[in-house]
Amino acid sequence: GDSVTQMEGPVTLSEEAFLTINCTYTATGYPSLFWYVQYPGEGLQLLLKATKADDKGSNKGFEATYRKETTSFHLEKGSVQVSDSAVYFCALSDLPGSARQLTFGSGTQLTVLP
Amino acid sequence: DADVTQTPRNRITKTGKRIMLECSQTKGHDRMYWYRQDPGLGLRLIYYSFDVKDINKGEISDGYSVSRQAQAKFSLSLESAIPNQTALYFCATSSGVAYEQYFGPGTRLTVT
Repeated sequence: GDSVTQMEGPVTLSEEAFLTINCTYTATGYPSLFWYVQYPGEGLQLLLKATKADDKGSNKGFEATYRKETTSFHLEKGSVQVSDSAVYFCALSDLPGSARQLTFGSGTQLTVLP
Repeated sequence: DADVTQTPRNRITKTGKRIMLECSQTKGHDRMYWYRQDPGLGLRLIYYSFDVKDINKGEISDGYSVSRQAQAKFSLSLESAIPNQTALYFCATSSGVAYEQYFGPGTRLTVT
């Protein structure tokens, strides 16, 4: 079945450092890919998405590119802020163009220090 | 006001008790989901419903049941709670054509 593998955390960075959180996936067909973020005490919210190969999703300074050849969707940000401290989840949908069912990675805890 | 609400937000119960977690949404979405979150395991799908008359088991439905009372309400029940059901439970919604799922704030359930 489908699966998502994320780099294990926790990740601790200083403010303004560069962030990469690795995500690779296994799926049949052509899934849509997502990054969700969970701030302390809150539910998950969509950070960015990509629906086909070579698409780049971006939001709030975060970016991720759908790489079909390496089955990857790594999350990057050039300069992190304390407010970016959260848990980040990579996810895929099992039906192209649909978010009806999501398969999540295990999550990566990010802490940004001032 | 939040679009997806969950009650209660925290609950401690004893082994063998029946408990119900409730989810309500004002987004007008037809699809609703229940997930549980465990440390290091991400979110796993328990049940999902595409409309009031359509309910489907997810990855980990054993020990759980659901009821879709209306388009806006989706309840999760633990008929006889056990300690390994201690987790954070999330409800989510989506529309039929959108990519995004919208999550509630979660219910932290502890079974002693």
